[in-house]
Amino acid sequence: DSGVTQTPKHLITATGQRVTLRCSPRSGDLSVYWYQQSLDQGLQFLIQYYNGEERAKGNILERFSAQQFPDLHSELNLSSLELGDSALYFCASSVGMGAYEQYFGPGTRLTVT
Amino acid sequence: AQSVAQPEDQVNVAEGNPLTVKCTYSVSGNPYLFWYVQYPNRGLQFLLKYITGDNLVKGSYGFEAEFNKSQTSFHLKKPSALVSDSALYFCAVRDGRNTGKLIFGQGTTLQVKP
Repeated sequence: DSGVTQTPKHLITATGQRVTLRCSPRSGDLSVYWYQQSLDQGLQFLIQYYNGEERAKGNILERFSAQQFPDLHSELNLSSLELGDSALYFCASSVGMGAYEQYFGPGTRLTVT
Repeated sequence: AQSVAQPEDQVNVAEGNPLTVKCTYSVSGNPYLFWYVQYPNRGLQFLLKYITGDNLVKGSYGFEAEFNKSQTSFHLKKPSALVSDSALYFCAVRDGRNTGKLIFGQGTTLQVKP
């Protein structure tokens, strides 16, 4: 158990809908990362927050947004969902911003039908 | 842009034999390299990292990795494979300063047969 929790574990929704994925980092970790894992794209970095502020952005779609709250938990919002958004979404956390090891949650499997 | 490549989709070894999972990197500046393992239906688990110093890095579960600057490689190794080592292995590189953003390779499936 990494100490990172993600909810829900599974999510099935229809095209055009909006969903929110939630992540609680390990106790003491200030950085939160979101990654998307799919068969065709592999493991892709989406976005990083550090202590509530956005610090790095990957190829995150405009339909996707995220935030980190004062209690350090984070939410990833996916809207106008398309079939191609079906993937495993991981949250990870680390103590700082630099070359620290990241601890991954179990992931949320999103299926868009 | 930083990148890593894992040239083998799958590596097969017999239990008890040494294993190597290959990774090459392309970075500007000093590389910060990582290995992670993913078991079925689980998140990624950190194995080890290279930041600076000794070229041989020791990590979790008996794994180690050798950093080779001239060959731009960071191969993962274990002297004696276990069936329980069978999993998906990812090499990653940090992308950019003051960020923990990781760029992952495409992954290598390790199959250890009894």
